[in-house]
Amino acid sequence: GDSVTQTEGPVTVSESESLIINCTYSATSIAYPNLFWYVRYPGEGLQLLLKVITAGQKGSSRGFEATYNKETTSFHLQKASVQESDSAVYYCALGSNYAQGLTFGLGTRVSVFP
Amino acid sequence: GPKVLQIPSHQIIDMGQMVTLNCDPVSNHLYFYWYKQILGQQMEFLVNFYNGKVMEKSKLFKDQFSVERPDGSYFTLKIQPTALEDSAVYFCASSLKAETLYFGSGTRLTVL
Repeated sequence: GDSVTQTEGPVTVSESESLIINCTYSATSIAYPNLFWYVRYPGEGLQLLLKVITAGQKGSSRGFEATYNKETTSFHLQKASVQESDSAVYYCALGSNYAQGLTFGLGTRVSVFP
Repeated sequence: GPKVLQIPSHQIIDMGQMVTLNCDPVSNHLYFYWYKQILGQQMEFLVNFYNGKVMEKSKLFKDQFSVERPDGSYFTLKIQPTALEDSAVYFCASSLKAETLYFGSGTRLTVL
């Protein structure tokens, strides 16, 4: 079946430093799945951060970027300068079968300190 | 952005009893999902519901589970009877086009 592997947390980073969360995927049901990053801020539900549905394209939102790399089957999330408000749990996910929704990674807890 | 509400946020129940988890999806959405997350594990797909029917379900969706959305009201997940291994956080999601999912904050179910 499909699977997603991402950086194991927790990750601790200081404000204004850079952040990268690695994500690699394996999709057996479709060659080029849709790829997503979701985020859960403290006390809130999961929300979509960004998505990319075309291999080779980059998605960006709130200063975060992720590029769909089909050669390495990766979708790493990066931000050049984090803020305390970026403290959250980040989930990489793929969608290869619309009926089944999404396959999620374990999530990476990120704590940003001032 | 669009909000999915889940009621209640916590539920504690004795093994063997019935429980119903409620989800108020985004109003114009057409696809509805339940996911299950056991502590320390990843969120896993349970079931997808569209046009009044279950479209797809995983092997986690046991015979004791059922879903419905009567008259466009709450989208519910019923477990009858409950078992200890049903203890988890259950997330509801809805979607307009079965692509971008909007999630609720989850209901933590504890089966004693």
